[in-house]
Amino acid sequence: DTEVTQTPKHLVMGMTNKKSLKCEQHMGHRAMYWYKQKAKKPPELMFVYSYEKLSINESVPSRFSPECPNSSLLNLHLHALQPEDSALYLCASSRLIAGAGTDTQYFGPGTRLTVL
Amino acid sequence: GQQVMQIPQYQHVQEGEDFTTYCNSSTTLSNIQWYKQRPGGHPVFLIQLVKSGEVKKQKRLTFQFGEAKKNSSLHITATQTTDVGTYFCAPANAGGTSYGKLTFGQGTILTVHP
Repeated sequence: DTEVTQTPKHLVMGMTNKKSLKCEQHMGHRAMYWYKQKAKKPPELMFVYSYEKLSINESVPSRFSPECPNSSLLNLHLHALQPEDSALYLCASSRLIAGAGTDTQYFGPGTRLTVL
Repeated sequence: GQQVMQIPQYQHVQEGEDFTTYCNSSTTLSNIQWYKQRPGGHPVFLIQLVKSGEVKKQKRLTFQFGEAKKNSSLHITATQTTDVGTYFCAPANAGGTSYGKLTFGQGTILTVHP
């Protein structure tokens, strides 16, 4: 199984809502990532979890709250978002191998978020 | 993160023509990855280059890593409509971490006219 799944595929929320994005992988990967991607722009890294611990937070506003309940699951809790937070949110995972080279990242299909 | 310039931003070609996108850095890269994102899709890993001067081929795609490890290119021979999408380079710098923090280039959006 080389698939990363994400739910929901689409999400529309108001600025006062609380919602969560979910990501799951069963490849035994020990690193998981959240990216934000605006139209015609590259993915921008938000968070990295390594061995279920938050290892990188790219100065993301606190209205985005990541959670890694176990090695297969990654959540992104959303609260009090702004319209400019509307974007495609991508989850990715990788093996987390030490040594030379960089992990290949496997991306999920993303959640397209619209904040009204 | 590692900054790179990726050019061109857009490329329109007729089916059958060749296509090349370039990724340039002012500092030495430890390795570089390339990803493809189809319209409406998600990034998909294509290749990783690690060695100076490395050249790798995947059917009609040829990937190169410069001798100084500061630039890389992706060349597609005889484009097909299935090649449509955005091609991103994603380098790691010489001091990069082993858990693969990627900083994507701006991408080249390829359109292929049948």
